[in-house]
Amino acid sequence: DAGVTQSPTHLIKTRGQQVTLRCSPKSGHDTVSWYQQALGQGPQFIFQYYEEEERQRGNFPDRFSGHQFPNYSSELNVNALLLGDSALYLCASSFGNRVQPQHFGDGTRLSIL
Amino acid sequence: AQSVTQLDSHVSVSEGTPVLLRCNYSSSYSPSLFWYVQHPNKGLQLLLKYTSAATLVKGINGFEAEFKKSETSFHLTKPSAHMSDAAEYFCVVSENFGNEKLTFGTGTRLTIIP
Repeated sequence: DAGVTQSPTHLIKTRGQQVTLRCSPKSGHDTVSWYQQALGQGPQFIFQYYEEEERQRGNFPDRFSGHQFPNYSSELNVNALLLGDSALYLCASSFGNRVQPQHFGDGTRLSIL
Repeated sequence: AQSVTQLDSHVSVSEGTPVLLRCNYSSSYSPSLFWYVQHPNKGLQLLLKYTSAATLVKGINGFEAEFKKSETSFHLTKPSAHMSDAAEYFCVVSENFGNEKLTFGTGTRLTIIP
């Protein structure tokens, strides 16, 4: 039973570029959440997708956008990259309407030069 | 608004001695509370959860936590530390049983002294 998988594992970009990160949820899960974890900090909630719609959003600018596909996988897009966007991006999946905790992937390490 | 405060950024204990990681929470509703562990270059693994059932919660790897509403605390304990317990620990609060937004503390780094 595959857990949450994220790709790529590492990525290096330069300021101003755009990036797309991908996430496949744990088998059977239908909800995907994205978190940003800066070095030495706890993860910060970016947004959550359920039934292909953004259900909740944290305090992140519009440069951060996402998408959920019919197979429940998800993408996180970040435009106009800033140095401060360097972080570990974590994806978590869960059941949208059940009392179950979220399961996390190992993350994508994004470095901005 | 919900928040958690982890009272220690770094805790060091000797192998075989008890572990105590402290967490206080703030929530407008009856919260769900979690402890997650993160090993280096890895994602987050759920240790245990509290969702308004028994106040003493047992988790994996011998960890447990007690929900104390009067003290707004959810401290994590383990009777005997093992070298493999060395990691970053996060206290987390959610207002909908963990299905929606999770709010993380800043983390406590646990070091085990051989």
